Amino acid sequence: AQSVTQLDSQVPVFEEAPVELRCNYSSSVSVYLFWYVQYPNQGLQLLLKYLSGSTLVESINGFEAEFNKSQTSFHLRKPSVHISDTAEYFCAVSVGFQKLVFGTGTRLLVSP
Amino acid sequence: DTGVSQDPRHKITKRGQNVTFRCDPISEHNRLYWYRQTLGQGPEFLTYFQNEAQLEKSRLLSDRFSAERPKGSFSTLEIQRTEQGDSAMYLCASSLTTGSSYNEQFFGPGTRLTVL
Repeated sequence: AQSVTQLDSQVPVFEEAPVELRCNYSSSVSVYLFWYVQYPNQGLQLLLKYLSGSTLVESINGFEAEFNKSQTSFHLRKPSVHISDTAEYFCAVSVGFQKLVFGTGTRLLVSP
Repeated sequence: DTGVSQDPRHKITKRGQNVTFRCDPISEHNRLYWYRQTLGQGPEFLTYFQNEAQLEKSRLLSDRFSAERPKGSFSTLEIQRTEQGDSAMYLCASSLTTGSSYNEQFFGPGTRLTVL
């Protein structure tokens, strides 16, 4: 079975500072990796995904994540956060393109 | 394309009552998923359909839970004899899956169930 660990339940950061949200996964088979974002009072939205190829993937709003197979990690980073990045971020894995297995989420709190 | 819709958005019920939720996927999406999210946790997979066929059910889905997708379009999730532990956000997602290629799961806004 697959599992996802997000060790940080909450990450407070000041605007324009860099941030890293950690994600580690466990699986005996190859997986696909995802980051979803949930803004206040909104549904889950896909932020970025790793399927194959380059281990560094980027989103349109400046986030990036790097797949590290040896460390079974898929950490999410942004060099400079905005107030509008305040949200809950979920890391997820999938075996095949079927169900998603989510972590417990990390709440990113950006303050001025 | 109006996205995935769920109805109702909120449901308050008394323990022991039955409740039914509806999910309307994005038009022409052949896969439909149900997840449950409790406070402080990530979404947990419950079940999914490809067209009208229910292909997988989680062991989280007790006998009190039943899901249907009779015509391969909308889906319903029914919980019988609700318990306080059923209180959660119930999420629906859909995707257009063709062959072995990846297709994004689009999530609805969820139905928040409170069992008193």
